[in-house]
Amino acid sequence: NAGVMQNPRHLVRRRGQEARLRCSPMKGHSHVYWYRQLPEEGLKFMVYLQKENIIDESGMPKERFSAEFPKEGPSILRIQQVVRGDSAAYFCASSGYRDNNQPQHFGDGTRLSIL
Amino acid sequence: DQQVKQNSPSLSVQEGRISILNCDYTNSMFDYFLWYKKYPAEGPTFLISISSIKDKNEDGRFTVFLNKSAKHLSLHIVPSQPGDSAVYFCAARRNQGGKLIFGQGTELSVKP
Repeated sequence: NAGVMQNPRHLVRRRGQEARLRCSPMKGHSHVYWYRQLPEEGLKFMVYLQKENIIDESGMPKERFSAEFPKEGPSILRIQQVVRGDSAAYFCASSGYRDNNQPQHFGDGTRLSIL
Repeated sequence: DQQVKQNSPSLSVQEGRISILNCDYTNSMFDYFLWYKKYPAEGPTFLISISSIKDKNEDGRFTVFLNKSAKHLSLHIVPSQPGDSAVYFCAARRNQGGKLIFGQGTELSVKP
C-alpha cells in the first residue's frame, strides 16, 4: 500500500466531537475516493473527488459528513458531531484516470473509535 | 441492494493446491472487475483485474475468469501458499463511473 498515505492511523473521539481524516494520493494521481468499512462488512463507497471538485457523493450520509480535495494539500474527510455508529475503518484510494481501466490503490486506512 | 456478492465467507485450502474464490454480480452495466487482497489492519492491495471484453486474465499464480452471461467471476490461485491467507474482495465498476462496488469478502486460509 505504499503511495497512498492516510493519517492518522487511529483516531479516538468522544461523541459530539469532530473527526478529520487526511489522505494524500499517490504521486501523479488526481482522483481520490473515500470508502468506509464497518465491522464484518465489505467496503462501502462514500465520495469521489478530483482536485477542487466533488464528482460523486452518492454514498455520503446527508448530514455531518463532508469531503474536500483542495488544489494544494491532502483530501480531507470531515465528520462533525460524531456518534458511536461512525466507528469504522475509513479508507482512501486514488487513481490516475477516471475512464481508463486503471485500478484504485488504497491507503492503510484510519480506524475511528467513538467513545 | 447487494450488487456484488461473495457467498462464501471463508475458504480453507491446503498449501500447493488450487484456491477458487467466487463472486456474483447483478448489474449488467458493470464493465470492469477487480480483486483485492486485505490483511488485518492494512488497506486492500490490488491483485488483478479484468475488463468485460475479456473472459480471462492471468498474472503469475493468479487468474481471473469472467462469465458475463452468468454474471459470475472467479479468482484462481495456483499453487496456494500460506502467505496467501487473507481476506479477498471482488469489486466492480460501471462504465465511466469512478466508484467501486465491493463484495463482502472471503477469508482464505492456506494451511501448510
